[in-house]
Amino acid sequence: QSVLTQPPSASGTPGQRVTISCSGSSSNIGSNYVYWYQQLPGTAPKLLIYRTNQRPSGVPDRLSGSKSGTSASLAISGLRSEDEADYYCAAWDDSLSGWLFGGGTKLTVL
Amino acid sequence: QLQLQESGPGLVKPSETLSLTCTVSGGSISSTSNYWGWIRQPPGKGLEWIGSISYSGSTYYNPSLKSRVTISVDTSKNQFSLKLYSVTAADTAVYYCARQGAVVTHWFDDWGQGTLVTVSS
Repeated sequence: QSVLTQPPSASGTPGQRVTISCSGSSSNIGSNYVYWYQQLPGTAPKLLIYRTNQRPSGVPDRLSGSKSGTSASLAISGLRSEDEADYYCAAWDDSLSGWLFGGGTKLTVL
Repeated sequence: QLQLQESGPGLVKPSETLSLTCTVSGGSISSTSNYWGWIRQPPGKGLEWIGSISYSGSTYYNPSLKSRVTISVDTSKNQFSLKLYSVTAADTAVYYCARQGAVVTHWFDDWGQGTLVTVSS
């Protein structure tokens, strides 16, 4: 059972904006950066967002990350078919002295 | 460009030890002052951090696995390794190795392709 809580699924039509949430606590999201990964079937996770709202080179600016208190969000605007994937949030937890991942959200592009 | 490759047996018997190695190429495991991590993913499920090790051997483990895990580094071979003891079917997963930054709180930026380990008699 993940300590970072994500909705199991999300969906949208091409061109829409979708948001995926990640809920944690004061010892993880509340006091540390949040990271987002995209995982396509059969492949390793790929970093999408680091330090809560920063994009690595090559990640389009239609993806954005934010945080408020103990919750974080990944927003994808201008939804495209290639965005269909599993998305995971992650954060360091000070109480555990370890990394936590969310349970993952499967994004479907209708 | 840095590359990571997991290797090891794909099948392990219950109660035995799972042993995997991650070989780093395109850079020295000791010169880049990184932490190196192991993450696993049971079939159809989410990601779970197993632990991380620095190039100098400092380790951090997931508390839920700490009693059964050892992560070590061999700078002469540019490798780091995972041992998971007394495995059960619940340890069946794809195991990934990944590079972190200079501190353990740095994110996982480069990942290996992953290797499936099945625990079964």
